[in-house]
Amino acid sequence: GENVEQHPSTLSVQEGDSAVIKCTYSDSASNYFPWYKQELGKRPQLIIDIRSNVGEKKDQRIAVTLNKTAKHFSLHITETQPEDSAVYFCAASSQGGSEKLVFGKGTKLTVNP
Amino acid sequence: EAGVAQSPRYKIIEKRQSVAFWCNPISGHATLYWYQQILGQGPKLLIQFQNNGVVDDSQLPKDRFSAERLKGVDSTLKIQPAKLEDSAVYLCASSLSRGGPYEQYFGPGTRLTVT
Repeated sequence: GENVEQHPSTLSVQEGDSAVIKCTYSDSASNYFPWYKQELGKRPQLIIDIRSNVGEKKDQRIAVTLNKTAKHFSLHITETQPEDSAVYFCAASSQGGSEKLVFGKGTKLTVNP
Repeated sequence: EAGVAQSPRYKIIEKRQSVAFWCNPISGHATLYWYQQILGQGPKLLIQFQNNGVVDDSQLPKDRFSAERLKGVDSTLKIQPAKLEDSAVYLCASSLSRGGPYEQYFGPGTRLTVT
């Protein structure tokens, strides 16, 4: 089955700096890669997603890149703000089967003012 | 639009007791998921329903966990008997349908503590 590895487990940056979180997946059939943000004690919320027919997607300060050959994808946050502090999870899913999401273990991002 | 609703929000039980969680998905969402999120880890899928049929329950510990989704709307997840290692947040999520994948919307979760 699918296995998703996520790095780093913790990341601390200064406000205004960029943050990058990387994930690798094992199942070449996976074709949907969402990123979720989870604040302490709250539900995971989708912040951006990418499908395998696209190499990069941007939404304001957030971007995701996908390298299907290497089977890895990354989340980029620019001009970080204290409210970006949270745990970020990557996930992978394949169409045609159960379409279940397999999540990484998460990255705790801390943005220091 | 109303989000995914779950209850209770918190539950404390002793080991070997039973517990049940309830989920009401977003109206019109045919697919419903139950996840287990242990502290410090990502959510792990326990069971997925499409309408009232089970699509995937490969990671559900069937000797103690059960779930149902009668009439293809609300769902309940039950644990009987509970073990210490069942302490976790149980998240319910829903999405439009199969043939996607589509965004999964999560509920607030039920935090279970087994003592």
